[in-house]
Amino acid sequence: GAGVSQSPSNKVTEKGKDVELRCDPISGHTALYWYRQRLGQGLEFLIYFQGNSAPDKSGLPSDRFSAERTGESVSTLTIQRTQQEDSAVYLCASSSGVNYGYTFGSGTRLTVV
Amino acid sequence: DQQVKQNSPSLSVQEGRISILNCDYTNSMFDYFLWYKKYPAEGPTFLISISSIKDKNEDGRFTVFLNKSAKHLSLHIVPSQPGDSAVYFCAARGGSEKLVFGKGTKLTVNP
Repeated sequence: GAGVSQSPSNKVTEKGKDVELRCDPISGHTALYWYRQRLGQGLEFLIYFQGNSAPDKSGLPSDRFSAERTGESVSTLTIQRTQQEDSAVYLCASSSGVNYGYTFGSGTRLTVV
Repeated sequence: DQQVKQNSPSLSVQEGRISILNCDYTNSMFDYFLWYKKYPAEGPTFLISISSIKDKNEDGRFTVFLNKSAKHLSLHIVPSQPGDSAVYFCAARGGSEKLVFGKGTKLTVNP
């Protein structure tokens, strides 16, 4: 597609439920990143996929968070047993790896009530 | 430990004047710096970047300056336009593909 697509755009969930967020990167982009932005904070790195290499999971805040990517296409970020502090905008970005100018999606606004 | 700091949460300037957004970093391993612009309900968009081997990069109304000895960079927008009103994020890369972002500065350009 023309840009990075994320779904859903908004998600309200009850505390303790699992949620799955989806990211469709730009076709041909080998690198895919997940960040989140909590209210009043900067963008916080979560996880990074590059081709067939093992993902860099160093930013995942707890074992309730996991992400997968199928080849060089769709990625899903799963949050299990959601907590109120998980409320944030979750942003996905992709890049071709040659110029470091990520292209971001519009994000998924997650609200845990 | 915040490696990239944007100490001004907001900035207001008059249309036509210069906007200067500042960013400080602590990690001397950072070798590439970027500025992103974000409108409400949209993802950040890449604006301009600079490699650590340079001290200035210019693109139209936007210029980024890097002072490595001070671990400081700044984004200059001149002349500022109302459409420039957005949140600006400074980001840095060092040793891996992932970027470290600051908290952002909200710029308001008044007509």
